[in-house]
Amino acid sequence: GAGVSQSPRYKVAKRGQDVALRCDPISGHVSLFWYQQALGQGPEFLTYFQNEAQLDKSGLPSDRFFAERPEGSVSTLKIQRTQQEDSAVYLCASSLGGQGFTEAFFGQGTRLTVV
Amino acid sequence: AQKITQTQPGMFVQEKEAVTLDCTYDTSDPSYGLFWYKQPSSGEMIFLIYQGSYDQQNATEGRYSLNFQKARKSANLVISASQLGDSAMYFCAMRDRAGKSTFGDGTTLTVKP
Repeated sequence: GAGVSQSPRYKVAKRGQDVALRCDPISGHVSLFWYQQALGQGPEFLTYFQNEAQLDKSGLPSDRFFAERPEGSVSTLKIQRTQQEDSAVYLCASSLGGQGFTEAFFGQGTRLTVV
Repeated sequence: AQKITQTQPGMFVQEKEAVTLDCTYDTSDPSYGLFWYKQPSSGEMIFLIYQGSYDQQNATEGRYSLNFQKARKSANLVISASQLGDSAMYFCAMRDRAGKSTFGDGTTLTVKP
């Protein structure tokens, strides 16, 4: 498809389980962003890749969160030992430019519910 | 640190009327980009409009315009001729040169028929 694709759309995990969320950016987009959006709030920055390099991971809430983009295209956000406070929508976005202010296109998100 | 403030949790507008959604921002960086996104109940984030910190003219995209007042650090979104399909959550966001974005808490817009 032409847009940013995220899978799964919905994920229910038992507390303590590990999860992996996938993001397929628009082909050729250099920049890739991950955000966490709690119910009723704006997205919170988690991490940013330029090609395969993770340039900023300052938003990752703990060392249970890990993101990778090994070949500079598909990215995976992994959460280990999930906790209830991890329940949120995880949004991925990609943009064409390396830096600066080019438009970012968002995927539809993965809604994670930890029970 | 960057901060975005949207002071209107909810707004109502009559169909075909114009509405202004407020956004103020704070940053010490002289170079930044300001964005508005629409998020309908389906959850996708839809890009609406962009304003660069050095742009002299206010950005416009169809029925959307951005009222950029740099000295006041405000970047309000104006939607003209509101339509029922404009009912959604609207987010103001700022991106720095490194690519990191900060979002506000959003404004829920309801268009009344």
